[in-house]
Amino acid sequence: GENVEQHPSTLSVQEGDSAVIKCTYSDSASNYFPWYKQELGKRPQLIIDIRSNVGEKKDQRIAVTLNKTAKHFSLHITETQPEDSAVYFCAATLGNAGNMLTFGGGTRLMVKP
Amino acid sequence: DAGVIQSPRHEVTEMGQEVTLRCKPISGHNSLFWYRQTMMRGLELLIYFNNNVPIDDSGMPEDRFSAKMPNASFSTLKIQPSEPRDSAVYFCASSPGLAVRDTQYFGPGTRLTVL
Repeated sequence: GENVEQHPSTLSVQEGDSAVIKCTYSDSASNYFPWYKQELGKRPQLIIDIRSNVGEKKDQRIAVTLNKTAKHFSLHITETQPEDSAVYFCAATLGNAGNMLTFGGGTRLMVKP
Repeated sequence: DAGVIQSPRHEVTEMGQEVTLRCKPISGHNSLFWYRQTMMRGLELLIYFNNNVPIDDSGMPEDRFSAKMPNASFSTLKIQPSEPRDSAVYFCASSPGLAVRDTQYFGPGTRLTVL
């Protein structure tokens, strides 16, 4: 099965700085990599995703990069704001099993004002 | 449009009792997923359905857990008997289908505490 490792488990940055969260996966057949944001006590919500035929995707202050050869992908948040504080989860599809996801362990991001 | 609905939002019960968690997927979505979230194990997929049929229940921890989807707008996750180690937040998610492009939308979760 798929195994997704996520680092770091906690990340503290100053408001305005950038934050980078990295994930590795084991199944070379995985082809879809979403990122979810979970605020305290709330549900996980999709913030950005990337498919295996693309190396980078950007949406305002958020970007995701994918290196299929190395089997790793990263979330980049620029100009961080206090409202970015949350737990971020990366995920990868289980090989060719449609949209079945294996989640990483999560990264708690704290943005200090 | 309403998102995924779960009930109850909080459940406190005693060890040995039966617990039933409920989920209503987004209207028109054909796939439904049950997850469990704990600090130790993160987000784990327990079981998922497509067109009301269970597809993969390999994530269900043991026979005490069972899930049903009697129709397209309702699913239940039952734990009988419950144990303290079942304490967790249980999320239901739905997606239009099982295609890679089909995003999973999560419900608000049910926080279960077993004393």
